[in-house]
Amino acid sequence: AQKVTQAQTEISVVEKEDVTLDCVYETRDTTYYLFWYKQPPSGELVFLIRRNSFDEQNEISGRYSWNFQKSTSSFNFTITASQVVDSAVYFCALSEAGGTASKLTFGTGTRLQVTL
Amino acid sequence: GAVVSQHPSRVICKSGTSVKIECRSLDFQATTMFWYRQFPKKSLMLMATSNEGSKATYEQGVEKDKFLINHASLTLSTLTVTSAHPEDSSFYICSARDIYVADQETQYFGPGTRLLVL
Repeated sequence: AQKVTQAQTEISVVEKEDVTLDCVYETRDTTYYLFWYKQPPSGELVFLIRRNSFDEQNEISGRYSWNFQKSTSSFNFTITASQVVDSAVYFCALSEAGGTASKLTFGTGTRLQVTL
Repeated sequence: GAVVSQHPSRVICKSGTSVKIECRSLDFQATTMFWYRQFPKKSLMLMATSNEGSKATYEQGVEKDKFLINHASLTLSTLTVTSAHPEDSSFYICSARDIYVADQETQYFGPGTRLLVL
């Protein structure tokens, strides 16, 4: 069975600090996909990134970066120079590969509070 | 691209009434749609998966007669909460994916519907 663990329930930082959100996953599949979604107070889930299991390259997008390490089954998310607008709940998710039945398994989410 | 809308965004109803929530993909073909439920400060719980033109597949513990799902077209899925009760009050979110594109694994989410049953 698939499982996603986000051990950090809540994180509070001051603006301009860097912050890393941890995500550890479990799966027996050799091919799978990892995702990060942002849920601001409005409730809508915003897609941030998708990574497949064969691509361990780290990715950077502006102030966001992701570190995927299969050896430790982790897919951590770092926000550099955090801003108040980054305040949200962030979900890490995992899906098995292919087909029409792929489902997302979500972690419990990490609530990030960025203050001035 | 990849915009999903939901209607209504918020609904308050009396106990015993039925409520229909619509989920639309605005700029792509939603070959598969998913319905989730989220309790306050909790994660998303998958309720069911629906493929266009076929019956929905419900997750264990989800009553299919209570949560009716219809996915009659490639851009619209509906969730009807029948004979709603206060315990059905929740945040319902749909998502959609298009298996005929390269990024077929990504689900795009609607803005959600807050249901309050009095």
